[in-house]
Amino acid sequence: SYDLTQPPSVSVSPGQTASITCSGHKLGDRFVSWYQKKPGQSPVLVISQDAKRPSGIPERFSGSNSGNTATLTISETQSMDEADYYCQAWDSTTAVVFGGGTKLTVL
Amino acid sequence: EVQLVESGGGLVQPGRSLRLSCAASGFSFDDYAMYWVRQAPGKGLEWVSGISWNSASIDYADSVKGRFTISRDNAKNSLYLQMNSLGPEDTAFYYCAKRSRGMYGMDVWGQGTTVTVSS
Repeated sequence: SYDLTQPPSVSVSPGQTASITCSGHKLGDRFVSWYQKKPGQSPVLVISQDAKRPSGIPERFSGSNSGNTATLTISETQSMDEADYYCQAWDSTTAVVFGGGTKLTVL
Repeated sequence: EVQLVESGGGLVQPGRSLRLSCAASGFSFDDYAMYWVRQAPGKGLEWVSGISWNSASIDYADSVKGRFTISRDNAKNSLYLQMNSLGPEDTAFYYCAKRSRGMYGMDVWGQGTTVTVSS
């Protein structure tokens, strides 16, 4: 099976830039999506297809994917961005795999 | 309003079965691939299964292959997950999700339904 590795936690100060990585073998050959998950809420798609930002997602969220690593970058991080973030790699249109998740703390 | 509403969760004994449903509204259901994703207590998101718009392509996570069956009824705008031989490891919050239009992403999620497997 295909594995995606994320750091368990990332901390950032308000107003600074947070970077969350997702690693997998030749991950750059696959499309990667990113999801924000807050307790008690359903996941929210923040980046699709490596770097596309869905409607309604702030420009502060950006993504990249190359080689073995995909990165979610949140600039000018706000307290409302504190959440768990999950990367997702697409094997096909019906099969995906999630990373283990990263807890973003804004302090 | 684009909406997905899951139902059918509950408490079930190990070895028994349960069928989850996901009712879609506000979009052309038969245009999109659909998915089931779960989150066990204190754990991360886990993809369970996916189905193409016309049911021609179906995939399962290894953890549920042979026990779970995904299906859809486009005439009823509904997605289903038949879960057999349930075990405690299947205890989780189950979400249905819709594929983004023309992109690789899941852009709409339901509110989820809880499945608890316990004697």
